[in-house]
Amino acid sequence: GQNIDQPTEMTATEGAIVQINCTYQTSGFNGLFWYQQHAGEAPTFLSYNVLDGLEEKGRFSSFLSRSKGYSYLLLKELQMKDSASYLCAVNRDNYGQNFVFGPGTRLSVLP
Amino acid sequence: NAGVMQNPRHLVRRRGQEARLRCSPMKGHSHVYWYRQLPEEGLKFMVYLQKENIIDESGMPKERFSAEFPKEGPSILRIQQVVRGDSAAYFCASSPSPGGGDGYTFGSGTRLTVV
Repeated sequence: GQNIDQPTEMTATEGAIVQINCTYQTSGFNGLFWYQQHAGEAPTFLSYNVLDGLEEKGRFSSFLSRSKGYSYLLLKELQMKDSASYLCAVNRDNYGQNFVFGPGTRLSVLP
Repeated sequence: NAGVMQNPRHLVRRRGQEARLRCSPMKGHSHVYWYRQLPEEGLKFMVYLQKENIIDESGMPKERFSAEFPKEGPSILRIQQVVRGDSAAYFCASSPSPGGGDGYTFGSGTRLTVV
């Protein structure tokens, strides 16, 4: 079957750094995506990894290890507005119609 | 470009009624995907469509649910004879091509409540 695991909830302090982990076991792999979703809103794209290593985009970085089936999203200099759910998603094939989403990690940023 | 447009934003239906959810993809996007999200759960793939074609409906329940993406107009997700368990947020996403480095662009979703 297809399985993507993330911690359910995390809490961090404003200005700190937080790492959200994602492990996956899927039949097929064509890239791993991270999305941010505020309550009641649409998921918005944050990052994409298809090769092993670190991708950096401002305060957000994402890491992938395909051999370990593991990724993490790193958020630096946390702001209150970063309080949201973070969804890990695996694209299982080359045709893009089969994204599998993890359950999401709800991050609360405290003052 | 207004992005992916979904309407209505909120929809209330009584058990046994029909629900029609609409999605207009971003301009230039010909690939549409429907997902369902239950409270406290992740997004579950339902169906992938291109203009006038259903490419993958492996996530769609076999009964009561159908989807279309006609040559003209929005994509429609139709749920017949709704039941309480259909209450969820339904998100539509679009892309200019299958997959790709930028993933999908999601609409704001339709929140269906069955009473």
